[in-house]
Amino acid sequence: EAGVTQSPTHLIKTRGQQATLRCSPISGHTSVYWYQQALGLGLQFLLWYDEGEERNRGNFPPRFSGRQFPNYSSELNVNALELEDSALYLCASSSDPMTGITGYTFGSGTRLTVV
Amino acid sequence: AQKITQTQPGMFVQEKEAVTLDCTYDTSDPSYGLFWYKQPSSGEMIFLIYQGSYDQQNATEGRYSLNFQKARKSANLVISASQLGDSAMYFCADYRQGGKLIFGQGTELSVKP
Repeated sequence: EAGVTQSPTHLIKTRGQQATLRCSPISGHTSVYWYQQALGLGLQFLLWYDEGEERNRGNFPPRFSGRQFPNYSSELNVNALELEDSALYLCASSSDPMTGITGYTFGSGTRLTVV
Repeated sequence: AQKITQTQPGMFVQEKEAVTLDCTYDTSDPSYGLFWYKQPSSGEMIFLIYQGSYDQQNATEGRYSLNFQKARKSANLVISASQLGDSAMYFCADYRQGGKLIFGQGTELSVKP
């Protein structure tokens, strides 16, 4: 069974540009979660999508947005990039959106560097 | 604010010995779930073990066990018979309604040969 796949693995952008990160969940998983892991700040919850709808978002500005497609894959868009957006962005998926007790399965992440 | 605390930024352990990684949580909810993840240098977060607040017994998964002390609000991870491949960052996390995990700051474990 293929795990959660994220692309690209590395992304370098200039301040002010837009970045698009992609995530494919495990087959059969309908929920996708995005987390930001910035140096010194730990992992911060960004967004949760389930069945194509945004269900919850963390304390991030509106320039962080995304969507979930009918095949349950997801995109995270970051507009007007700032230097502090440099981080590892992790995507996770689960088949049990209400409790999460099955454990999220994470991908290997996209490392975004803003210069 | 509800949070997860990992007080050990770094730990060293000799190969084949056991090690305990500390985690305390702060929640007023009667129902919650606690996770431990391993993050090697590759970046992927690997699920290790889960403990539900109503579980009667401490969770175990192979060499990993969770020392769950509800009254103290602690959920320490015990790794038995450490291996060189156990060297990684370890994160404790608390599941919240709304699909999100609240992570601690992590503990970097180094296993010495």
